[in-house]
Amino acid sequence: QKEVEQNSGPLSVPEGAIASLNCTYSDRGSQSFFWYRQYSGKSPELIMSIYSNGDKEDGRFTAQLNKASQYVSLLIRDSQPSDSATYLCAVEGGSEKLVFGKGTKLTVNP
Amino acid sequence: EPEVTQTPSHQVTQMGQEVILRCVPISNHLYFYWYRQILGQKVEFLVSFYNNEISEKSEIFDDQFSVERPDGSNFTLKIRSTKLEDSAMYFCASSEGGGAYEQYFGPGTRLTVT
Repeated sequence: QKEVEQNSGPLSVPEGAIASLNCTYSDRGSQSFFWYRQYSGKSPELIMSIYSNGDKEDGRFTAQLNKASQYVSLLIRDSQPSDSATYLCAVEGGSEKLVFGKGTKLTVNP
Repeated sequence: EPEVTQTPSHQVTQMGQEVILRCVPISNHLYFYWYRQILGQKVEFLVSFYNNEISEKSEIFDDQFSVERPDGSNFTLKIRSTKLEDSAMYFCASSEGGGAYEQYFGPGTRLTVT
């Protein structure tokens, strides 16, 4: 059974700080990794995907992947109160399906 | 920007009744999915659909569940005889391709079985 683990949090950061969200996965063969944001009562919203080791930046978001350590992270720079949400790590689970972690709840305090 | 749409947003049904949840995937996408999320739990994969057939399904997707693409735009999930434990948010998603392609989620249907 493929597993994706995330610190459930909650993670609380002040406005303007860097929020760091972490995820580990069990299947060494996984090749595709995704971060989603989910506001309470809403659907997952794709933030970014990452496929290669290293960093990938998109605006205030940076995803980091280390396949040797089976570790994916998401950094949010200059955090805003509107970033307060649950962040879901998802890993391609073979063929088409995504395997999700439980998510990390982030609160950004003004 | 194209988006996945789902109807209804909320469905209340009695145990044992059949429900059909509807989705309109993004128009140029080829792969369609259903996921569900029980309150407070992980998002769980149910089924993927490509080229008018199921390409993968999870253990959750038993004989009570079925999917269909009845026309060129809609994608449906039917639950034949609902149980209390089917109460959850059901999300439809679509992607341009399988595997590595990004999946985009619809707003969800909240199913409440009483």
